[in-house]
Amino acid sequence: IAGITQAPTSQILAAGRRMTLRCTQDMRHNAMYWYRQDLGLGLRLIHYSNTAGTTGKGEVPDGYSVSRANTDDFPLTLASAVPSQTSVYFCASSGTGTDTQYFGPGTRLTVL
Amino acid sequence: GQNIDQPTEMTATEGAIVQINCTYQTSGFNGLFWYQQHAGEAPTFLSYNVLDGLEEKGRFSSFLSRSKGYSYLLLKELQMKDSASYLCAVIDSNYQLIWGAGTKLIIKP
Repeated sequence: IAGITQAPTSQILAAGRRMTLRCTQDMRHNAMYWYRQDLGLGLRLIHYSNTAGTTGKGEVPDGYSVSRANTDDFPLTLASAVPSQTSVYFCASSGTGTDTQYFGPGTRLTVL
Repeated sequence: GQNIDQPTEMTATEGAIVQINCTYQTSGFNGLFWYQQHAGEAPTFLSYNVLDGLEEKGRFSSFLSRSKGYSYLLLKELQMKDSASYLCAVIDSNYQLIWGAGTKLIIKP
């Protein structure tokens, strides 16, 4: 693989269910990010990680958790999904916190 | 609060030139990015400005004025494939990337 992959591509989920969105990069980037994109609101940062073993909260972290056990993987977990979490989720990575961010293809999540 | 303003939508004609403006009010400034996003796809990097002036890259150019909190993306010789959303993003003093809502550009033949 080259770049960033995300899985699944799309998912329909019942409210209250737990869901993990996967993100893997092979560029050895230190920093990784999770965004959600809703119509008219642009990209909003959920959580980020500047390096393996560290994570931080973004603009809209409530209801989401992340982990960064190694350089390549940065999963995003919804502990108990709610309909307001219906969105397109993008994972991104960059060499450092100020470098160009490169995006994965996105996961379209619908919570019913 | 921090804010980035872009027009919601613009329309231009194939072969013409279009300028997409971005104004920002952020806590500090450490650089400005422009990204292109086709419908249903991920954003892709177009340009980066950190110093005042114009950066040219083929048909696309990006301008920055830090004193005015202003940038624009200039697209020349428009092609139908340029129909997309264009996102402006600023790195603030905490090295967080603040995103505008994007400008949807519609190209007509």
